[in-house]
Amino acid sequence: GENVEQHPSTLSVQEGDSAVIKCTYSDSASNYFPWYKQELGKGPQLIIDIRSNVGEKKDQRIAVTLNKTAKHFSLHITETQPEDSAVYFCAASIHNAGNMLTFGGGTRLMVKP
Amino acid sequence: SAVISQKPSRDICQRGTSLTIQCQVDSQVTMMFWYRQQPGQSLTLIATANQGSEATYESGFVIDKFPISRPNLTFSTLTVSNMSPEDSSIYLCSVLAGGTYEQYFGPGTRLTVT
Repeated sequence: GENVEQHPSTLSVQEGDSAVIKCTYSDSASNYFPWYKQELGKGPQLIIDIRSNVGEKKDQRIAVTLNKTAKHFSLHITETQPEDSAVYFCAASIHNAGNMLTFGGGTRLMVKP
Repeated sequence: SAVISQKPSRDICQRGTSLTIQCQVDSQVTMMFWYRQQPGQSLTLIATANQGSEATYESGFVIDKFPISRPNLTFSTLTVSNMSPEDSSIYLCSVLAGGTYEQYFGPGTRLTVT
């Protein structure tokens, strides 16, 4: 089955700096890669996603890149703000073949004001 | 997107008892999922619940321990049976938004077993 590795497990940045979180996956059939933000006491919130036919996607301060050959994808947050502090999870799935998400281990991002 | 609610939001239960968690969606969805998130950990899929068919369980999860119902396209329940302290976790339902790749999660049910 699919295996998703996520690094780093914790990340501390100064407000205004950029943050990068990286994930690798094992199943070359995976074709959908979402990122979730989970704040304390809440369920995961979908913040951005990318499909395997796209190399990069951007939404304001957040961007995701995908390298299918190397089987890794990354989340980039620019101009970080204290409200970006949360746990971020990457995931992978095969759309239309179960759609089950396999999650990475999570990254706790702390943005210092 | 989809708006998902779960009941209860949290509970403290005695070992050996059972708890049924409800998941309600504001729109009709074909695919619903139940995940477990142990304290400080990532999310693990328990089962996929499609309306009109038996739930499909992932390795390590069995129907006798986690029976699931899916009576219609907006509702599902997960029961945690014969609970032990190891079942203390957050239980989350999610839905696959119709016509998209996107999965949305409910707020979770925080279960503590004493």
